[in-house]
Parts: sequence; C-alpha cells; structure tokens
Amino acid sequence: GENVEQHPSTLSVQEGDSAVIKCTYSDSASNYFPWYKQELGKRPQLIIDIRSNVGEKKDQRIAVTLNKTAKHFSLHITETQPEDSAVYFCAASFVSGGYNKLIFGAGTRLAVHP
Amino acid sequence: NAGVTQTPKFQVLKTGQSMTLQCAQDMNHNSMYWYRQDPGMGLRLIYYSASEGTTDKGEVPNGYNVSRLNKREFSLRLESAAPSQTSVYFCASSESGTDTQYFGPGTRLTVL
Repeated sequence: GENVEQHPSTLSVQEGDSAVIKCTYSDSASNYFPWYKQELGKRPQLIIDIRSNVGEKKDQRIAVTLNKTAKHFSLHITETQPEDSAVYFCAASFVSGGYNKLIFGAGTRLAVHP
Repeated sequence: NAGVTQTPKFQVLKTGQSMTLQCAQDMNHNSMYWYRQDPGMGLRLIYYSASEGTTDKGEVPNGYNVSRLNKREFSLRLESAAPSQTSVYFCASSESGTDTQYFGPGTRLTVL
C-alpha cells in the first residue's frame, strides 16, 4: 500500500545551523506534498507545501525540494532558532476510493539548542 | 472564525464504554477527516468524508464509526472502547483532498 518514510526521527542542531528532513513516498501518482509543524501539546499546522509541477519552493528560512523521479522530497530550515523546535511531519497525497487523501510520515523531532 | 473545533479536550473511559467525539468547522470546507496520533507513528487516517453525505474508511477504521451530520459537523464514535484506542484524536478539514488541511486542537482519550 501507500507509504511515506521520514528520516531522521530525531534531529539536534545548534542555533544558526541548518536542518534537513527527508521523506520518500511510494505512490508515483502523488502530486501534493505538505509539511506540518507540531509544537508540544498543540495541533499540526501547515508550514509549506509543494505540488508536483515544481521542483522547489521557498518561504523565508524554509524551503522544500521535490524529486519526482526518485520519489523523495525534503524540508530545509536555514538559520535555525529555538522556536523552530517541534515535531515536523511530511505527507503525500494519494487517491483511494476516488478521492485524494494524505498519508503522513512518522515525524521528526527537531531540537534547536541555543 | 473559529476554524476547526473539537469536543471534549480530554476524556477517560473504561473498557467497553462508548462515546462520541465531536468536530465542527466554520470554513465551508467540503472534506473532513479523523486522525489518531500515537507516539512514533505520525497521523493515521481513521475515516474521512470527501463531501457532505459521503464517508469512507481510512487506514485504521476498525472499532470506529463516523457521521457527517451536515457540511459543518463530522463526529467519530467509539462503540465499545478498548485500551488500544488510547490516543490523541485530531479532526481536520480542507477544501479538497489536495488542499491545506486545518486541524482541530485534538482530544486526548485514555481507555482504562
């Protein structure tokens, strides 16, 4: 069945360093790839997304890249800050029962140390 | 504009008890979803509703039922709770399956 693998499961960086989280997906028909951030005890919130007709998208310190041939996409956070500490989830769309849905990766716990 | 709301925030049940989790959205979205979140397993789809009047199973539907009461409301029912259903439950909504999903604040459920 459809699957999204996310690595690493935990990531620890120093403030100001870059962080990269990678995801691979199984369904070659997937065409929508969002990233969510979840702070402790809070709800997941979208931080950036990319569709299959583009290879890269940036929003200030956050960027996402997509390689459709290899079926993987990555989140890049530059100049990390302590408030970036959270769990990050990737997701990929897939069609089931005639409708598009999302399947999520298991998450990456990012810790940014001052 | 409250977005997606869920009730209750916390619930403790005994094995075999039943309960309904409520979800409502005020964004006029067509699609609504129920997920469960367990440590190390991300968000797993229980049921979804692509539009008013339709519901279908997700990855982990066993032990749950849903009702799409109208365009705003989507409820999740546990008929006979089991300890394996201890989890955090999130409701979400979106315009369609490939649009941003907005999540509710979650319900933390413990089944003893």
